[in-house]
Amino acid sequence: DAGVIQSPRHEVTEMGQEVTLRCKPISGHNSLFWYRQTMMRGLELLIYFNNNVPIDDSGMPEDRFSAKMPNASFSTLKIQPSEPRDSAVYFCASGTSGRSEQYFGPGTRLTVT
Amino acid sequence: GQQLNQSPQSMFIQEGEDVSMNCTSSSIFNTWLWYKQDPGEGPVLLIALYKAGELTSNGRLTAQFGITRKDSFLNISASIPSDVGIYFCAGVGTASKLTFGTGTRLQVTL
Repeated sequence: DAGVIQSPRHEVTEMGQEVTLRCKPISGHNSLFWYRQTMMRGLELLIYFNNNVPIDDSGMPEDRFSAKMPNASFSTLKIQPSEPRDSAVYFCASGTSGRSEQYFGPGTRLTVT
Repeated sequence: GQQLNQSPQSMFIQEGEDVSMNCTSSSIFNTWLWYKQDPGEGPVLLIALYKAGELTSNGRLTAQFGITRKDSFLNISASIPSDVGIYFCAGVGTASKLTFGTGTRLQVTL
């Protein structure tokens, strides 16, 4: 069975550019989570969706960040405009509502110069 | 954001040795998860614990849910080179929100 799929795996962009990260959750899962991992702050939850609806976006750092989930098999995390401090590894995870287990994708390493 | 305290922060062990690590929190959690992360990859779920006092095994891995519900422990028996990586605990709070530990980096020498 395919796990969570993320693209791209690596992204290098210049400050001020728009960045879009993509995620395909595990088929049948109805919860989707976006995380950011840095050395300083570890793994932080940015936003999560249940049945394609954003439930909690309190972890989104600021208005430059936005996330969408137009259908059960696709989600995007957009940063516009990007800044060097956004450099991090961004993970998508999926699960089933009512269960605690979350399954992570391989991540997108973002570098903003 | 909040991170749970994991110890040790890192450890070197010899192949074949047993490993113990723990995770502590100031808050109570109803579920504990343990993940392993290899370089350049996402965290992989190893074990899930659902009840205080629960002891669960997955091959050479054994984890326990502390009776106070504020801590959890992971043991690895007879370590092998592929055990190298970073181990994270995660406490599950309301609405399935995970709070991760600071990680334990395991390195195995032959």
